[in-house]
Amino acid sequence: GEDVEQSLFLSVREGDSSVINCTYTDSSSTYLYWYKQEPGAGLQLLTYIFSNMDMKQDQRLTVLLNKKDKHLSLRIADTQTGDSAIYFCAEIVGNDYKLSFGAGTTVTVRA
Amino acid sequence: GAGVSQSPSNKVTEKGKDVELRCDPISGHTALYWYRQSLGQGLEFLIYFQGNSAPDKSGLPSDRFSAERTGGSVSTLTIQRTQQEDSAVYLCASSLGGPRDTQYFGPGTRLTVL
Repeated sequence: GEDVEQSLFLSVREGDSSVINCTYTDSSSTYLYWYKQEPGAGLQLLTYIFSNMDMKQDQRLTVLLNKKDKHLSLRIADTQTGDSAIYFCAEIVGNDYKLSFGAGTTVTVRA
Repeated sequence: GAGVSQSPSNKVTEKGKDVELRCDPISGHTALYWYRQSLGQGLEFLIYFQGNSAPDKSGLPSDRFSAERTGGSVSTLTIQRTQQEDSAVYLCASSLGGPRDTQYFGPGTRLTVL
């Protein structure tokens, strides 16, 4: 099984906030990432957080990290139709270099 | 260009044929990665290059898969005797080269094996 787990689907109304959740199992994860993939496109880095941080905010995006529970979340404020995509949580463990991805959460924004 | 580029964007081949997929990393990035995205397996790491050497090939699924990188830049992923289970999107990423440096992805090559 995967070391990074995400719920598979999220439906949200335009203008509302979206919250995408992720859990990871390796306590030595050092960097945690959120990538966005639009249909037919590659992966776009949205944001990342160091494991010694609790929160990071970047415009409409807020990342929260709960190291005790190994829980990472991405909040998108004022969700727009252009936010419809698959969102991947990913980790790098220790001094490693390869990304380990979750299965991705498909976010659908409805009018 | 400013980003990672990959070619072809789509490739349809017949079972048993060989295919080559190309990746052009961001200029100045010494690290290059290949990942595969398939319906059943999600996103999987295949291989990592630092310069022209590949210290980690652990993700290559079989000996039909190989990759090389020349001049510390362009990389080619080769799949010999393709099988239907090789059908996937093959993604390339590059980074500055240190561990945990941000990886920037290309648009991918969609491979379909008939």
